Amino acid sequence: AQKVTQAQTEISVVEKEDVTLDCVYETRDTTYYLFWYKQPPSGELVFLIRRNSFDEQNEISGRYSWNFQKSTSSFNFTITASQVVDSAVYFCALRRQMEYGNKLVFGAGTILRVKS
Amino acid sequence: DAGVTQSPTHLIKTRGQHVTLRCSPISGHKSVSWYQQVLGQGPQFIFQYYEKEERGRGNFPDRFSARQFPNYSSELNVNALLLGDSALYLCASSLGLAVYNEQFFGPGTRLTVL
Repeated sequence: AQKVTQAQTEISVVEKEDVTLDCVYETRDTTYYLFWYKQPPSGELVFLIRRNSFDEQNEISGRYSWNFQKSTSSFNFTITASQVVDSAVYFCALRRQMEYGNKLVFGAGTILRVKS
Repeated sequence: DAGVTQSPTHLIKTRGQHVTLRCSPISGHKSVSWYQQVLGQGPQFIFQYYEKEERGRGNFPDRFSARQFPNYSSELNVNALLLGDSALYLCASSLGLAVYNEQFFGPGTRLTVL
């Protein structure tokens, strides 16, 4: 079965603090993709990053960084020097190949509140 | 280029009614997927269509149906609405079905069932 677990329901930080959002996934597939999405109050899902199962190289993009560890089935997301605009719900997702298509399996999401 | 568009933005229905939600994919994209996001949860996969054929179905009752038109736009239909159908319905489009094809999400339709 495919499953994505985001154990942190809600995190509150003060502006400029660093924050890490955890994501643990389960899959028996050898080929899969992992994603992080941001969902602001407007509701639209904003794509942040995609990682395939063969690429464990960590990535940094501005204040965002991602740590993919296949050995622990984790794909954690860190925001450095958080800002109020980072307040949103963040989803980790796994895309697997189905017989005739593909689908995203989402975690329950982590609400991030950044206070000024 | 326009992104994925969905209509209507908001919708209020009563139990037992029928609803149709619409989605227009990004130009050139041939696959459309539908997701349901209940408040406080992550999106759940409902359907995927490609070239007007259903290519995947999530664990939803037969009250949920969809179709894709020759111009690749799509409709999601829900019959005999229940209170539990209240959710944000998200549409995503992609070029094709490969697992590496990026999915782009629309703004969603917020359905409230009273």
